[in-house]
Amino acid sequence: GEDVEQSLFLSVREGDSSVINCTYTDSSSTYLYWYKQEPGAGLQLLTYIFSNMDMKQDQRLTVLLNKKDKHLSLRIADTQTGDSAIYFCAERPTGNQFYFGTGTSLTVIP
Amino acid sequence: EPEVTQTPSHQVTQMGQEVILRCVPISNHLYFYWYRQILGQKVEFLVSFYNNEISEKSEIFDDQFSVERPDGSNFTLKIRSTKLEDSAMYFCASMGGSSYEQYFGPGTRLTVT
Repeated sequence: GEDVEQSLFLSVREGDSSVINCTYTDSSSTYLYWYKQEPGAGLQLLTYIFSNMDMKQDQRLTVLLNKKDKHLSLRIADTQTGDSAIYFCAERPTGNQFYFGTGTSLTVIP
Repeated sequence: EPEVTQTPSHQVTQMGQEVILRCVPISNHLYFYWYRQILGQKVEFLVSFYNNEISEKSEIFDDQFSVERPDGSNFTLKIRSTKLEDSAMYFCASMGGSSYEQYFGPGTRLTVT
């Protein structure tokens, strides 16, 4: 089946940029997503990108997609303590099934 | 802002018992999903539901599981005879008909003892 991989942990200092990386396996994925999960909460949709795009920017968030390498990244500019959470990458091949990564736990150090 | 709700937030049950997890998707959405997340592991797809029937399901979604949309608002996941390994966080999600955005509920933590 589809496999979505992420590194488990990332620590950054407040004010720095964070880059969370993800690799996926299904080259037919039409949409790729980033979700944020705060402690005890559900998954909050942050942003998504269509597979025909290379980049999408939304305020402090920048998503980069390298289809050749099947690599997706999420850059958070000016990272704040409120950004501390687990970030999940997800791919959506054809159909309506979503495949999630293991999540990257982002810790922002004041 | 519309949101997906789930009840209960935490359910404790004994092995072998039946549980029903409840979800109220966003009202004009057409696609409904259940996922589970075992502690420390990835979010795993269980099942998707569209037009009053299952559209896709994973290998996890065996005969012990069933889903139902009993009325116009609720979407339920039933586990017939719970096992210890069913202990997990269960998330419901919904998506609009012409949307790419899937919205998640806060989850139900199921503990099987």
